Amino acid sequence: AQSVTQLDSHVSVSEGTPVLLRCNYSSSYSPSLFWYVQHPNKGLQLLLKYTSAATLVKGINGFEAEFKKSETSFHLTKPSAHMSDAAEYFCVVSRFGGTSYGKLTFGQGTILTVHP
Amino acid sequence: GAVVSQHPSWVICKSGTSVKIECRSLDFQATTMFWYRQFPKQSLMLMATSNEGSKATYEQGVEKDKFLINHASLTLSTLTVTSAHPEDSSFYICSASLGTGQPQHFGDGTRLSIL
Repeated sequence: AQSVTQLDSHVSVSEGTPVLLRCNYSSSYSPSLFWYVQHPNKGLQLLLKYTSAATLVKGINGFEAEFKKSETSFHLTKPSAHMSDAAEYFCVVSRFGGTSYGKLTFGQGTILTVHP
Repeated sequence: GAVVSQHPSWVICKSGTSVKIECRSLDFQATTMFWYRQFPKQSLMLMATSNEGSKATYEQGVEKDKFLINHASLTLSTLTVTSAHPEDSSFYICSASLGTGQPQHFGDGTRLSIL
């Protein structure tokens, strides 16, 4: 079984300040982990992925995430928020192997608000 | 690369009608596509896994006779909501993967409103 918990349903930051979106996961198998962003009435765009290579993963638009196995965490960060970063962010885990291979389990989502 | 197109983006129809939603992988072939449903202010819920040339695999609680899935080619999967009712109103999103172990790429979704 696998699950994802996003610890904050809403995060609010000022433009130019750091962003931290927290995610903890649980998986019986070696997981693949992803962060996706969703703007209103749109599909999901892949920000970055972790697939058992380097634990610090760099993504698009200045985002990065660090896989910490000991803490079962995969927090998303950005040094300086931009107004265009305002959206909903989903932490996602995928199974490696087994009959559910490739199925995604989504976190509940974190809405990021960026203030001028 | 890895563009997934979903059509229509928005549909309004009367209760009792059937609605077909298309999901196309524009620049790659997708053996497997996925269909999700998203209620307002909620996360995505996997409805079914669509496999090219074979029957779709539905998640528990999803009515296969209500949500018909066809994956006739490596670039097209369709979801038909049959005899739609207001409770079927939702945001439906499809995705496709480049292959084993690769991330899923999502369409822009279809907003379905049943009057």
